Amino acid sequence: ETGVTQTPRHLVMGMTNKKSLKCEQHLGHNAMYWYKQSAKKPLELMFVYSLEERVENNSVPSRFSPECPNSSHLFLHLHTLQPEDSALYLCASSRDRGIYEQYFGPGTRLTVT
Amino acid sequence: KNQVEQSPQSLIILEGKNCTLQCNYTVSPFSNLRWYKQDTGRGPVSLTIMTFSENTKSNGRYTATLDADTKQSSLHITASQLSDSASYICVVSAMGGGNKLTFGTGTQLKVEL
Repeated sequence: ETGVTQTPRHLVMGMTNKKSLKCEQHLGHNAMYWYKQSAKKPLELMFVYSLEERVENNSVPSRFSPECPNSSHLFLHLHTLQPEDSALYLCASSRDRGIYEQYFGPGTRLTVT
Repeated sequence: KNQVEQSPQSLIILEGKNCTLQCNYTVSPFSNLRWYKQDTGRGPVSLTIMTFSENTKSNGRYTATLDADTKQSSLHITASQLSDSASYICVVSAMGGGNKLTFGTGTQLKVEL
């Protein structure tokens, strides 16, 4: 295990639902990340948090709303998603931003119906 | 535009055989290059990380090479095992700006009996 956990592992939701993805890291890291991984496409960085402050938002639609209440926890709140948002959502953490290695969680497989 | 291209897209080999995966990048200014292994339904796990001055690094049966002049890297797997079946992702980091990562689409490796 990498020390980064994600729940739920699988999620099916309708386009009108509201749900949240949770990520927790037990590594004492200061930086946390959300990535989207779609089939046959490279990982796409969505959000970066450093010391609980959002430092990067890569033009992600507002139907994705991140929250970082403390340095160990990261949430991704979802509402009125589209079928094309179906993907594997990966959380990662690193000691700090920059050259430090990122440790990934197992991901949440999201299906939007 | 920073890009990472990997080849082949997919590969099938027999157990016990060797194989080599390729990665070409245009990321600049270069900071480091990482190879990740991603099992189906799991998050990526780091295999190696190389900086500009390193041209080879091993991790068990995995050996990565880097030619920073031609901007190419390879991952050589020796004496393959069934558990090597996974996606192998090349990731290149650029200096500055939080060391943004550029991900390749991965090579899907299947090891068969």
